[in-house]
Amino acid sequence: GNSVTQMEGPVTLSEEAFLTINCTYTATGYPSLFWYVQYPGEGLQLLLKATKADDKGSNKGFEATYRKETTSFHLEKGSVQVSDSAVYFCALSDDGQGAQKLVFGQGTRLTINP
Amino acid sequence: DSGVTQTPKHLITATGQRVTLRCSPRSGDLSVYWYQQSLDQGLQFLIQYYNGEERAKGNILERFSAQQFPDLHSELNLSSLELGDSALYFCASSVGWGTDTQYFGPGTRLTVL
Repeated sequence: GNSVTQMEGPVTLSEEAFLTINCTYTATGYPSLFWYVQYPGEGLQLLLKATKADDKGSNKGFEATYRKETTSFHLEKGSVQVSDSAVYFCALSDDGQGAQKLVFGQGTRLTINP
Repeated sequence: DSGVTQTPKHLITATGQRVTLRCSPRSGDLSVYWYQQSLDQGLQFLIQYYNGEERAKGNILERFSAQQFPDLHSELNLSSLELGDSALYFCASSVGWGTDTQYFGPGTRLTVL
C-alpha cells in the first residue's frame, strides 16, 4: 500500500539556521502531497501542498517540491525561528475508489533554540 | 482556528466502557474524516463520511463505529475500551472528496485507565 517515510527526529537547530526535513513516499498513481504542522497542544494545520509533479508548495517561508523521479517532497526553510518549533508531518492523499484518506509519515519533532 | 470543532477536549474513562466523540465540520464541508494519533501507531486514518454516507474505511476496529448526521456533524463511538485505545482522536473535514484539502479539529484526548 501507499506509505510515507520521514527523517527521524528530533531535530534541533539554532535560530536562523537552514532547515531540511526529508520525506519520501511510495504510491501507485500520482497522489497529492502535503506538509502538516502540529504545535504543542494543538491539532494539525496544513502548511503547504502540491498536487502534481514539479509543483512547489510554499507558505510562511517553507517550501517543498513534488519530485516524481525521486518520489520525494522535502520540506525546506531558509531561516528558522523559535516559533517554528513543532512536529511536522508529511502526508499523501490516497484517493482509492473516489474517497480520500491521508497517509502520514511518523512526524519529525523540530526544536529551534534562540 | 480551522473551523472544525471537537468535543470533549479530554476524556478519561475505564476499561470496558463506551464513549462518544463529537465533531462539527467547517460550514459548507460535506466530508468528515476520523484519525487516531497514538505513540506506537502514529497518525492513522479510521473512517470517512461524505454527506451522511460512509466513503472509506481504514484501520478501524470492530469495537469502533461512526456516523454522520443530516446536519453533517459526526460522532465516533468507541466501545469495550482497552488501555491501548488511549490516544488523540482527530476529526477533519473537507468540502467534498478527492483532492480537497482536509482541515483538522483540535482533537479529543482519550485516556483509558
